[in-house]
Parts: sequence; structure tokens; C-alpha cells
Amino acid sequence: DAKTTQPNSMESNEEEPVHLPCNHSTISGTDYIHWYRQLPSQGPEYVIHGLTSNVNNRMASLAIAEDRKSSTLILHRATLRDAAVYYCILRDSGYSSASKIIFGSGTRLSIRP
Amino acid sequence: DVKVTQSSRYLVKRTGEKVFLECVQDMDHENMFWYRQDPGLGLRLIYFSYDVKMKEKGDIPEGYSVSREKKERFSLILESASTNQTSMYLCASTVPGQLAEAFFGQGTRLTVV
Repeated sequence: DAKTTQPNSMESNEEEPVHLPCNHSTISGTDYIHWYRQLPSQGPEYVIHGLTSNVNNRMASLAIAEDRKSSTLILHRATLRDAAVYYCILRDSGYSSASKIIFGSGTRLSIRP
Repeated sequence: DVKVTQSSRYLVKRTGEKVFLECVQDMDHENMFWYRQDPGLGLRLIYFSYDVKMKEKGDIPEGYSVSREKKERFSLILESASTNQTSMYLCASTVPGQLAEAFFGQGTRLTVV
């Protein structure tokens, strides 16, 4: 499985944008990039995914580099409720029914009031 | 509202006991997963199942087994619990495919004494 590398922790101010980076230099052409986050005392929850083009949804935006070796999750206006561990994951295209979900160590995001 | 329900939020068991962790999903998902989460080690995949009675080992299957007799239920079994299996256990489910969003339960914090 291709691996991802993320900073251990980041800090940001409330109501400011946050850019969470992820490196995935060994990504294969058919791997999708997924982001999940885990709020304190909860299970992870899906945030967004993409393949090549940038993606937006109500929670965040995903910017994918042209060579696909890195991506950035963008929270446009961070709130205290966005404090969580954010995971960047590659979903392989192998046997689709058995597509595993392998988590890395993630980035712990802290938000200053 | 979609749901993945884990039978216990907190569990305390004695060394050597046989322990069952139950997970039920109400979304008719084919794929189900068991992870454990430990400080500094992130989420690690123990086992996953892509259909009833079908299972595959994840990254750390030693000391664990699983059972999937019905589509909605995926059980994690510790045949003889040991103190190094003290951890947070998380269950997840998805439909097949690399685009699928995974839904997680709230987790079971197991302490083996």
C-alpha cells in the first residue's frame, strides 16, 4: 500500500483558514486520496476525497498537486469544533470489494480562540 | 441516520478471559473493519470482512479472530485476553469500492487487568 506523510501537529487561529498538507510520493495512478478526521472521544468521520481535480464540499476543500504526489486539505474558516486529528489516506483500486482502509499517524490540529 | 453501533463503550476483562466485541451496522454494507487505536501508533487494521463468512487479516491479526455470520454484524474475538490488548477498538463499515465513505462506531475502550 502506498504511504502518506503528514506533520504530527499544527496550530491555527479561530476563523482563519487552515492548510493541512499530505505527501504521498508513491501514489499509483488509480489511488484515490481520502481525508478523515477524528474528533476527541469519537470514531473517525469522512471529510472529502479526490483523484486529480480539486474538490469542494460543505466541510472542506481538497487541493491535489498536478503530479498527485501531494495534497492539501483546506478548512476555509476554522472553528474550535475543527480541533481533531486529520488523516490523509490512499484507497487502492485492487480488488474493489476488499479495498482496505489503512490509516497513517495523522495531524493533530489545535485551534486557538 | 446511518449507524455503526458497538455493543459496549467501556469494558474491563481479566487476563485469560475470552472477549467478544460486537459491531452492528444498519446500512446493508458489505465491508466491515476492526481497528485498534493506541497512543502514538494511530489506527491499525486488525481484520476486515468483505462479505458474510469472508474475512482477511489486516496488519495486526495476532491474538484476534473474527466472525461474520450475518451481513450486519461483525464480531472481534480475543480468545485469551492479555494486558497488551488493552486499547480502544473501532469498528467501521462501507460499501465496496475505493470511493466509498467509511462509517465508524464510537469505539470500545477495553482494559485487560
